Amino acid sequence: DSGVTQTPKHLITATGQRVTLRCSPRSGDLSVYWYQQSLDQGLQFLIQYYNGEERAKGNILERFSAQQFPDLHSELNLSSLELGDSALYFCASSPNSQGENTEAFFGQGTRLTVV
Amino acid sequence: GQNIDQPTEMTATEGAIVQINCTYQTSGFNGLFWYQQHAGEAPTFLSYNVLDGLEEKGRFSSFLSRSKGYSYLLLKELQMKDSASYLCAVRGLTGGGNKLTFGTGTQLKVEL
Repeated sequence: DSGVTQTPKHLITATGQRVTLRCSPRSGDLSVYWYQQSLDQGLQFLIQYYNGEERAKGNILERFSAQQFPDLHSELNLSSLELGDSALYFCASSPNSQGENTEAFFGQGTRLTVV
Repeated sequence: GQNIDQPTEMTATEGAIVQINCTYQTSGFNGLFWYQQHAGEAPTFLSYNVLDGLEEKGRFSSFLSRSKGYSYLLLKELQMKDSASYLCAVRGLTGGGNKLTFGTGTQLKVEL
């Protein structure tokens, strides 16, 4: 158990809908990262938050947004869902932003299926 | 930007040694990580290199050459449970944050 909690574990929804994925980082970790992993692709970095502020952005679609709350949990919002958004969404956390000698610990992921 | 290359697949025999290579191009290099991922599960941390040289951790070792943009993961005494995807990831500093960019992974199959 990495200490990173993601809910829900599975989500099935229709095209055009909006969903929210939730992540609780390890106790004491200030940084949260979101990744998307499709069947035919590797882990794609979406966005990083540190202590409530956005710090780094990857290939995140405009239909997607995220935030980190004062209690450090984070939510990833996916809207106007398309079939191609079906993927595993991972959250990871690490103690600090520029992370000296610290790895990121991953949650178990949310499997999103858009039908 | 960051570009990471690693072989797509490798096969090895139980009890043997296998080396998985990774080459990368990045700006603001701040460390290279190796993760193991079983299908449908979360990646789990294996090793970390930020300085040149070899880091050994039990059956796993990882090597880094920053000047060559090259790393490898060495797995010794292979076991069937080592069959998994091995992900090379590079951390690059971007402003006040850092991006951990992953390669597409090397699918290792361990056979009897």
